[in-house]
Amino acid sequence: AQSVAQPEDQVNVAEGNPLTVKCTYSVSGNPYLFWYVQYPNRGLQFLLKYITGDNLVKGSYGFEAEFNKSQTSFHLKKPSALVSDSALYFCAVRLFSGNTGKLIFGQGTTLQVKP
Amino acid sequence: DGGITQSPKYLFRKEGQNVTLSCEQNLNHDAMYWYRQDPGQGLRLIYYSQIVNDFQKGDIAEGYSVSREKKESFPLTVTSAQKNPTAFYLCASSGPGPNYEQYFGPGTRLTVT
Repeated sequence: AQSVAQPEDQVNVAEGNPLTVKCTYSVSGNPYLFWYVQYPNRGLQFLLKYITGDNLVKGSYGFEAEFNKSQTSFHLKKPSALVSDSALYFCAVRLFSGNTGKLIFGQGTTLQVKP
Repeated sequence: DGGITQSPKYLFRKEGQNVTLSCEQNLNHDAMYWYRQDPGQGLRLIYYSQIVNDFQKGDIAEGYSVSREKKESFPLTVTSAQKNPTAFYLCASSGPGPNYEQYFGPGTRLTVT
């Protein structure tokens, strides 16, 4: 079965330190991978995606993610965290072909950046 | 949230009443989606539509209904058959093809008492 896992419910980091939010996936076929961020009582905002090509993907607000096919992971990273980065982060996967545009979401990881 | 509007932002209903949530997009997207979000469970797909006058059930369609009469609009009705309707509902749309990201509306928080 296709699935996405975010193993950490919450990640705490001090402002200015690097942050990592983990995501692993299980799909049959080549995945399309996405990261979204959600602020309280708001919709999801797209951060970045991996379709093909360079394994390191750069996105909005200084975030980047590294696709690792052998480890089936797509971890979200940022070199220097800001307090304003505190939010709920979702990883999502879509199959390469034969799909209907459906996304499978992880459970979400709350990022708390402390000053 | 740009390009997709959902109304109202908060909605309160009594148990046993049907309620319709609005979703409109001006992005000219063919595909539209409805998700339900509960704490600690991520997003679960209720219904989706890839083209006008056509839609498919998602993972948790029971107790919900939709229509897609116009490209811009994809309203969701939460019926009295939905056992636990209190949740945050998110509408999304996307362009053609699997490499396009979905754009989300601001959401509607439905409370049923």
